[in-house]
Amino acid sequence: QKEVEQDPGPLSVPEGAIVSLNCTYSNSAFQYFMWYRQYSRKGPELLMYTYSSGNKEDGRFTAQVDKSSKYISLFIRDSQPSDSATYLCAMSVNTGANSKLTFGKGITLSVRP
Amino acid sequence: GAVVSQHPSWVICKSGTSVKIECRSLDFQATTMFWYRQFPKQSLMLMATSNEGSKATYEQGVEKDKFLINHASLTLSTLTVTSAHPEDSSFYICSAPGGGNQPQHFGDGTRLSIL
Repeated sequence: QKEVEQDPGPLSVPEGAIVSLNCTYSNSAFQYFMWYRQYSRKGPELLMYTYSSGNKEDGRFTAQVDKSSKYISLFIRDSQPSDSATYLCAMSVNTGANSKLTFGKGITLSVRP
Repeated sequence: GAVVSQHPSWVICKSGTSVKIECRSLDFQATTMFWYRQFPKQSLMLMATSNEGSKATYEQGVEKDKFLINHASLTLSTLTVTSAHPEDSSFYICSAPGGGNQPQHFGDGTRLSIL
């Protein structure tokens, strides 16, 4: 079993749809959870960063963490064609200089106009 | 916000040559930087942790003599792919923690193509 499992894709939705992206993990030592967005031929861009169970909202994006179930989610409201990208969940045990990240496989999202 | 710059963005070279990739933290100091490799349609795989003023720490299966890492200053880490071969062709990405408890910020990657 991989440490981080991410729902396989690709995923295609119409513009305006609500998108739900999910990851599960097996290592209970993970304390910090991130979602990155990666456009083709670019490096990952940080979208959301959380370190406690619960919800965190930023504009159209909501990150949800459930440590008891070892499950994290990213919700995108009112999806736009510009949201079309690969989304990667990532997590770490520590922060800062010791923040070795473990990534999910990534899911490619396509938002149709 | 924290910005990480990577150079070059794309390089094509002949088999057997060595290629150096630079990773710079532009508005913060980074005692640690990370180097990843990403194959098409796959996730990022950590290759090594670059430590300022000391030796890099390599992940299992990564040849340290092939992928030379130097972190000579608080804002610059370099990855040199020595005697590159076609199987080394990949997308190489660096990252650095933004300071304090900030998460890692990534460069825009270097696409390496070995002919």
